[in-house]
Amino acid sequence: GAVVSQHPSRVICKSGTSVKIECRSLDFQATTMFWYRQFPKQSLMLMATSNEGSKATYEQGVEKDKFLINHASLTLSTLTVTSAHPEDSSFYICSAIPQGRGETQYFGPGTRLLVL
Amino acid sequence: RKEVEQDPGPFNVPEGATVAFNCTYSNSASQSFFWYRQDCRKEPKLLMSVYSSGNEDGRFTAQLNRASQYISLLIRDSKLSDSATYLCVVNTGFQKLVFGTGTRLLVSP
Repeated sequence: GAVVSQHPSRVICKSGTSVKIECRSLDFQATTMFWYRQFPKQSLMLMATSNEGSKATYEQGVEKDKFLINHASLTLSTLTVTSAHPEDSSFYICSAIPQGRGETQYFGPGTRLLVL
Repeated sequence: RKEVEQDPGPFNVPEGATVAFNCTYSNSASQSFFWYRQDCRKEPKLLMSVYSSGNEDGRFTAQLNRASQYISLLIRDSKLSDSATYLCVVNTGFQKLVFGTGTRLLVSP
């Protein structure tokens, strides 16, 4: 199988604080991981592509200084939402592609962020 | 125009019915196509890939028409457990997936 986990599954924080979300591939190595965001009744939107050992590639309109991505190992990528505001409240989902196994992305269970 | 467009529904059908969803995409250079299923407040899960020749997996049949930039999903003999949101997903290249907003299906007894 190809299992991806995320931690935490849900988080509530105060406006102005930073929140770190972890994405782990449990039974495979992933050179590339992806971070998506989904607002209610909307589609998943790609935020950035996380590459192990190099800088992430951000989609247009996504602030790289606000959404810090670190892909320090082949099984872990982290997304830090800095100085979170209520409009950052959303469902954040990561995905990963197993190394050497085609292009199918396997999704984590998501992290629901609520900023008060 | 959205890159991937779907009718949001909901489609309300009785158990046993056949239901079809359609999707159109705007990027003619798109390389691969998928249907994902997303349950409420959960992550999307791959249902099936879509090929030009058409492909079938049990009660599910997917079809791709590259000339019309159109993708379809047919579900036969609907089950209650098929109730979910079905996402049309297009790989536009460089592993980038673009998701439609999804079509909601409600199967009732």
